[in-house]
Amino acid sequence: EAGVTQFPSHSVIEKGQTVTLRCDPISGHDNLYWYRRVMGKEIKFLLHFVKESKQDESGMPNNRFLAERTGGTYSTLKVQPAELEDSGVYFCASSQEWIAERNEQFFGPGTRLTVL
Amino acid sequence: DAKTTQPTSMDCAEGRAANLPCNHSTISGNEYVYWYRQIHSQGPQYIIHGLKNNETNEMASLIITEDRKSSTLILPHATLRDTAVYYCIVGLGANNLFFGTGTRLTVIP
Repeated sequence: EAGVTQFPSHSVIEKGQTVTLRCDPISGHDNLYWYRRVMGKEIKFLLHFVKESKQDESGMPNNRFLAERTGGTYSTLKVQPAELEDSGVYFCASSQEWIAERNEQFFGPGTRLTVL
Repeated sequence: DAKTTQPTSMDCAEGRAANLPCNHSTISGNEYVYWYRQIHSQGPQYIIHGLKNNETNEMASLIITEDRKSSTLILPHATLRDTAVYYCIVGLGANNLFFGTGTRLTVIP
């Protein structure tokens, strides 16, 4: 069974440009999460989809970030325009169940974003 | 947001048991204890979770005190590949995970 995949693995862009990150969850997983670790900080939650609906987007830092999950399959996270402080590693995770006792989240390898 | 306290770092000899403690004195009755780890440059990896009872799986054991204010993750026979940052997370789990700073475990040959 394929795990969570993320594309690209690495992205280097200039300040002010736009970048779109993609996440493909494990097939059949309705729950999809985005997290990020910016330089020197802890891994922080960004948002949670249940199928195509945003269940919780309380962690999104500002309106330069837009996440979508059309059709409830893969998800994209767009940063527009990118700022220097957006540099970091963006992780995607998915889980099958949305109940606490069975919510094992499977993480992808992350996308390393560098904004120059 | 921090609900857990973990030591910053620990060492363990290869082949020995690694015991990683976690304090979560403000845990509420319906919150679970989750453990994840992050091996360098990889995404976090789920290890185990529990509510009240001790749990064991193929990776580790989780011992939760009776008052649920602390827990210990046990890797029974640590290998070099277990070197990672280990995160103890308390919550309902269905939503976001709050990772904190974790414990950096170094397994020494």
